[in-house]
Amino acid sequence: TQLLEQSPQFLSIQEGENLTVYCNSSSVFSSLQWYRQEPGEGPVLLVTVVTGGEVKKLKRLTFQFGDARKDSSLHITAAQPGDTGLYLCAGGSNSGYALNFGKGTSLLVTP
Amino acid sequence: DSGVTQTPKHLITATGQRVTLRCSPRSGDLSVYWYQQSLDQGLQFLIQYYNGEERAKGNILERFSAQQFPDLHSELNLSSLELGDSALYFCASSSTGLPYQPQHFGDGTRLSIL
Repeated sequence: TQLLEQSPQFLSIQEGENLTVYCNSSSVFSSLQWYRQEPGEGPVLLVTVVTGGEVKKLKRLTFQFGDARKDSSLHITAAQPGDTGLYLCAGGSNSGYALNFGKGTSLLVTP
Repeated sequence: DSGVTQTPKHLITATGQRVTLRCSPRSGDLSVYWYQQSLDQGLQFLIQYYNGEERAKGNILERFSAQQFPDLHSELNLSSLELGDSALYFCASSSTGLPYQPQHFGDGTRLSIL
């Protein structure tokens, strides 16, 4: 099993602040996905990155895949209360079909 | 709405019992995945089916089994339940089951063992 470590585990910030969460592994992934999960719901896909060094933007969210395809980061600009949730990264490899999920970063944005 | 339907939403039962969780994938998706989510372990992959055939196996206990039927719905059977099996169980689906494809999750079944 390829382990994904996410940090920080918990993050509590005020509306308007910027933040970055990290997803790291010692293994190389062919692709990496970020999901957001809200209480009482299943995870919802935010983005998939497949190329080392790739940067993708989704409104105020910026996702980066490391050059070596072992790590990724998610940066949120001017966080809003609606960004509150559990952010999960998940890596896929060419040797298997399953995604390996990190334990997530729980983000709380207060007004 | 992801299009993935899981039933029941909540299940309360006792140790030693057996339960069946049901999942209907998104229309057109051939692959179904089952995950277990607990506070200490996070989201753990259990098993994947593609078009009725088992494709990948994760950390699934021998007491647990699953199948995917010709109409593509899937069932996860949990037997000889233990207190530690209390968790959220999620089903997800994707069109072809390749690892870089997005997975669409249902809202889960919360299983509580008393």
